[in-house]
Amino acid sequence: QVQLVQSGAEVKKPGASVKVSCKASGYTFTSYGISWVRQAPGQGLEWMGWISAYNGNTNYAQKLQGRVTMTTDTSTSTAYMELRSLRSDDTAVYYCARDRVGATGPVDYWGQGTLVTVSS
Amino acid sequence: EIVLTQSPDFQSVTPKEKVTITCRASQSIGSSLHWYQQKPDQSPKLLIKYASQSISGVPSRFSGSGSGTDFTLTINSLEAEDAATYYCHQSSSLPHFGPGTKVDIK
Repeated sequence: QVQLVQSGAEVKKPGASVKVSCKASGYTFTSYGISWVRQAPGQGLEWMGWISAYNGNTNYAQKLQGRVTMTTDTSTSTAYMELRSLRSDDTAVYYCARDRVGATGPVDYWGQGTLVTVSS
Repeated sequence: EIVLTQSPDFQSVTPKEKVTITCRASQSIGSSLHWYQQKPDQSPKLLIKYASQSISGVPSRFSGSGSGTDFTLTINSLEAEDAATYYCHQSSSLPHFGPGTKVDIK
């Protein structure tokens, strides 16, 4: 069965960086992409970006350009999302989700979420 | 940037009632519109893809319609377990989620 298992909760200070991992299993990793979506406390879903696990192509949300980097390690079927220069409004649950390989589309499987808290 | 709006923001309904949620895009997105259900403290779940295509394992009371800029999610004969927030999501351009519609059971 398809599973996406994310790394554990993080607490960071403003200005620091965080790197969240997402380990995939149950499907051919390089046949799909991974999208990252975050959800601030009590708020809606915000699309952050997408990466193709086939060729590493990326597409990032404009508001995060320059602060976010998405990568994959095909040897371990793991995707990573790094967010730099953290601010308090980056406090959110971060989700990885399986997407299409060539471009974004419907995301059909989601990780369990990783809470990132940014606080001094 | 293509922005999505949803209506209503909140709906309180009785079991067996029919629920209709609309999603409007700021410009045409063809059928690149998907619907998700999110229950409290859970990850979202894909309900409908490409405006009207059903998803394996999703109850048949959930259906979608529309194209271009106007889309609808319909829940026929609502069940108590359907209490959740519903989001639309466009993947035509830089992806974007709608603000969500919370459905509560009376």
